[in-house]
Amino acid sequence: DSGVTQTPKHLITATGQRVTLRCSPRSGDLSVYWYQQSLDQGLQFLIQYYNGEERAKGNILERFSAQQFPDLHSELNLSSLELGDSALYFCASSPVGTSNTEAFFGQGTRLTVV
Amino acid sequence: GENVEQHPSTLSVQEGDSAVIKCTYSDSASNYFPWYKQELGKRPQLIIDIRSNVGEKKDQRIAVTLNKTAKHFSLHITETQPEDSAVYFCAASREAAGNKLTFGGGTRVLVKP
Repeated sequence: DSGVTQTPKHLITATGQRVTLRCSPRSGDLSVYWYQQSLDQGLQFLIQYYNGEERAKGNILERFSAQQFPDLHSELNLSSLELGDSALYFCASSPVGTSNTEAFFGQGTRLTVV
Repeated sequence: GENVEQHPSTLSVQEGDSAVIKCTYSDSASNYFPWYKQELGKRPQLIIDIRSNVGEKKDQRIAVTLNKTAKHFSLHITETQPEDSAVYFCAASREAAGNKLTFGGGTRVLVKP
């Protein structure tokens, strides 16, 4: 157990819908990262938050947004869902603002868009 | 931005043989290079990392080497065992760039008994 909690574990929804994925980082970790992993693909960086503020942005679609709350948990919102958004979404956390320390991954949320 | 290329995409080895995975990066300012192992259906987990002030690091059967001049780093697994079968990802980051980890495409390693 990495100490990073993601909910839900599985999510099935229809095209055009909106979903929210939740991540609770390890206790004391200030940085949260979101990654997308499509079937048999690598890990695509979406966005990073540090202590409530956006720190870095990757290839995140405009239909996607995220935020980090004062209690440091983070949510990833995916809207106007398309079949191609089906993927495993990972959240990771690390202790400080620099990524030059280990990032601990949650177990992921598997999103299926039908 | 940073771009990380990883080769090979698949690697099949006989149990007991060595496995080598290579990565190249584009951003010369990158200074942290972790390797993650992802078993089927599970989360990626760090197995070893190296910083740019070190050329080589070893942990039991796993070693990583870094060539900053050539901008490439490699993972070496010796005496492979069936439980080494997984997908391995290399990554690179630098402190100033928002600290995001840029991952390679992954290598699926199969260790045949």
